[in-house]
Amino acid sequence: DIVMTQSPDSLAVSLGERATINCKSSQSVLYSSNNKNYLAWYQQKPGQPPKLLIYWASTRESGVPDRFSGSGSATDFTLTVSSLQAEDVAVYYCQQYYDTPHTFGQGTKLEIK
Amino acid sequence: EVQLVESGGVLVPPGGSLRLSCAASGFTFSSYAMTWVRQAPGKGLEWVSVISGSGGTTWYADSVKGRFTISRDNSKNTLFLQMSSLRAEDTALYYCAKDDSSTYYLGVFDSWGQGTLVTVSS
Repeated sequence: DIVMTQSPDSLAVSLGERATINCKSSQSVLYSSNNKNYLAWYQQKPGQPPKLLIYWASTRESGVPDRFSGSGSATDFTLTVSSLQAEDVAVYYCQQYYDTPHTFGQGTKLEIK
Repeated sequence: EVQLVESGGVLVPPGGSLRLSCAASGFTFSSYAMTWVRQAPGKGLEWVSVISGSGGTTWYADSVKGRFTISRDNSKNTLFLQMSSLRAEDTALYYCAKDDSSTYYLGVFDSWGQGTLVTVSS
């Protein structure tokens, strides 16, 4: 199975500041035939189901604010919140869909400092 | 609007069985693969099982293989998860999730239900 490891486990950032969450996969999730990274990011607020933010490592889902961006390739990925808002407090998960089982990272809790 | 509503979660003793359901609406159900993802209390997300739109292909996590069976009834827009030989470690909130692609199973989940809680305890 592909193991997804996120860092840090928790993060406190001031309102309006940048938040960066890292995700590392135990093997590459870059599919050479189409040059796409099979990596998604989800946001889960307390008491709610996860919400898809980004797929193909950097494509924002419709309706997701542009302060959320994804980057990276192969085994190393980053989710950036460019200017943290109060409503962004949540746990964020990366997920690979390169191979089954489609494993998730352990999650990163983002809080306001 | 896509809606996914899970049901069937209850308290069940170890070794017991249970069937979860997920009623879908707002999209052409038979065109999309559907997945079960679970979340143990206070823990992260675990991919459990997926079924293709036609129902002809299924995949399972090793942790549930041989004990859980995923199925679907496209005439009733409903997804199922038959769970047997339940263990304490199966205790979790079980979500059903719709795949983002209508042409093949991608593994990106663009809609989720609210979940149904399964508790395995004596």
